[in-house]
Amino acid sequence: DAKTTQPPSMDCAEGRAANLPCNHSTISGNEYVYWYRQIHSQGPQYIIHGLKNNETNEMASLIITEDRKSSTLILPHATLRDTAVYYCIVTNDYKLSFGAGTTVTVRA
Amino acid sequence: DTAVSQTPKYLVTQMGNDKSIKCEQNLGHDTMYWYKQDSKKFLKIMFSYNNKELIINETVPNRFSPKSPDKAHLNLHINSLELGDSAVYFCASSQVRGLEQFFGPGTRLTVL
Repeated sequence: DAKTTQPPSMDCAEGRAANLPCNHSTISGNEYVYWYRQIHSQGPQYIIHGLKNNETNEMASLIITEDRKSSTLILPHATLRDTAVYYCIVTNDYKLSFGAGTTVTVRA
Repeated sequence: DTAVSQTPKYLVTQMGNDKSIKCEQNLGHDTMYWYKQDSKKFLKIMFSYNNKELIINETVPNRFSPKSPDKAHLNLHINSLELGDSAVYFCASSQVRGLEQFFGPGTRLTVL
């Protein structure tokens, strides 16, 4: 019942921006886009969320297209510690449904 | 000053046994959750409690029973453990339903 589609993996060079795409073409008007990540052997960590507008915090930026059918998570300056599985989740309640995510490997 | 803590971190037990996993959060949150991450790494919600009341109970066998003695604690009791229960169990909490959820470090349960 996944509502999102993400590439299974991507590599990124340390110090460069990492752009993680997510498709959510069936998103409804009251559903938010959440991003979490899970570093190996740790619990998931909240990154950012948004509804319509682009959002930025100390960790990342979230760009949501005008039709809301896709979004991009931007890690502005990737470090080795950003190596993790990144999950894009669409929901309007507290039931977070994690898919397979994108495995991001940051290389020195 | 750990936000969400779980004990134990590892749990190895025999089939048929009964075990408990404890979770505590010191964030003052009203809502707590239990998630299960299976061998394929998919993370699925099992239960959610808001102010000590059950608000989500996904299709989980009734061998699993959450207990919330107070807002800061949500324990998971598992009876008659089966091989398929082997997984990593994560506890989480949030200020209000949904929003930013803080996860614990996980408990790796292995049933032999």
